[in-house]
Amino acid sequence: EAQVTQNPRYLITVTGKKLTVTCSQNMNHEYMSWYRQDPGLGLRQIYYSMNVEVTDKGDVPEGYKVSRKEKRNFPLILESPSPNQTSLYFCASSLAGVLNSPLHFGNGTRLTVT
Amino acid sequence: GESVGLHLPTLSVQEGDNSIINCAYSNSASDYFIWYKQESGKGPQFIIDIRSNMDKRQGQRVTVLLNKTVKHLSLQIAATQPGDSAVYFCAENRSGNQFYFGTGTSLTVIP
Repeated sequence: EAQVTQNPRYLITVTGKKLTVTCSQNMNHEYMSWYRQDPGLGLRQIYYSMNVEVTDKGDVPEGYKVSRKEKRNFPLILESPSPNQTSLYFCASSLAGVLNSPLHFGNGTRLTVT
Repeated sequence: GESVGLHLPTLSVQEGDNSIINCAYSNSASDYFIWYKQESGKGPQFIIDIRSNMDKRQGQRVTVLLNKTVKHLSLQIAATQPGDSAVYFCAENRSGNQFYFGTGTSLTVIP
């Protein structure tokens, strides 16, 4: 089944403890992206990647890192999480960039930072 | 029923009625638009898309209308069913490789 898989689905951590949220897609998509979803603010883009070893900042990149060493994986790294990063995170991918094809989303990771 | 973007974030319709969800976009240069459906506990799911060289596009029970003059997008759902209850939001490709999303409209279908 074609899908975007995120892990974990739920994560509770403490301020300052590094964490990684994994994202994998099995559709051979070139484009991958991370979003956070907060009440009243909608989906906001954190980082995106056009292809392997190519990453760019979205609208809210502060406090996050990403890497794209392989086409299928696009992990989101929080080096020192803070409470304002408590949110619902979505990974998404598309075939060839957002100009031509829709995004396919994972089911989300709910992160709580205390 | 009909809603207008951010100002009316909820919409309730009777089962079997048609629903209209509206979205105002901001950039006249945006050339690709998508409607997504998000059910509780799930990621957004693609419904239908439309490019700026079109005014209307139809899918199964859904129609998207694009009015570039007033920068307005609407999603029409025919014969709304309980399974259509969800949050719906539009996305616009304003520039390059980024999509921008509206905050959504919550649709509730009353049996």
